[in-house]
Amino acid sequence: GENVEQHPSTLSVQEGDSAVIKCTYSDSASNYFPWYKQELGKGPQLIIDIRSNVGEKKDQRIAVTLNKTAKHFSLHITETQPEDSAVYFCAASGNTPLVFGKGTRLSVIA
Amino acid sequence: EPEVTQTPSHQVTQMGQEVILRCVPISNHLYFYWYRQILGQKVEFLVSFYNNEISEKSEIFDDQFSVERPDGSNFTLKIRSTKLEDSAMYFCASSELDTSYNEQFFGPGTRLTVL
Repeated sequence: GENVEQHPSTLSVQEGDSAVIKCTYSDSASNYFPWYKQELGKGPQLIIDIRSNVGEKKDQRIAVTLNKTAKHFSLHITETQPEDSAVYFCAASGNTPLVFGKGTRLSVIA
Repeated sequence: EPEVTQTPSHQVTQMGQEVILRCVPISNHLYFYWYRQILGQKVEFLVSFYNNEISEKSEIFDDQFSVERPDGSNFTLKIRSTKLEDSAMYFCASSELDTSYNEQFFGPGTRLTVL
């Protein structure tokens, strides 16, 4: 079955700097890669996703890149703000249940 | 904006008791899911449900678990005889028909504490 690895587990950045979170997956049949943001006491919120027919997708300060050959995908947050502080999860799916990474706790220091 | 809702937000129960966790998915969604997140760990898939039957379930979803859509709006997860290790956050999610496992929207979760 699918296995998703996520790094780093914690990340601290200064406000205004960029943050990058990386994930790898094992199942070449996976074709959908969402990123979720989870704030304390809340459920995961979908922030951006990418499908395997696209290499990069951008939404304002958030971008996701996908390298199908290497089975890597990454989340990039530019101009970080304190409200970006949360746990971020990557996930992968190939018309199968979502398999999540272990999460990255991002702290943006003002 | 439509959202998935869950009740209760926190449930405390004694080991061996039955609990029912409730969810109201987004109204035009037809695929429903339950996930579990043990404190500090990753979100884990439990079960998916479509057209009034289970589509897929994980190894975690054993005979003590069951799901039901008792009416047109609610989706429930029942744990028949709770164990200490069932303590976790339980998230309900839903997605539209033509994207099945994709683009799932999660509820705020129910924190289950088994004493």
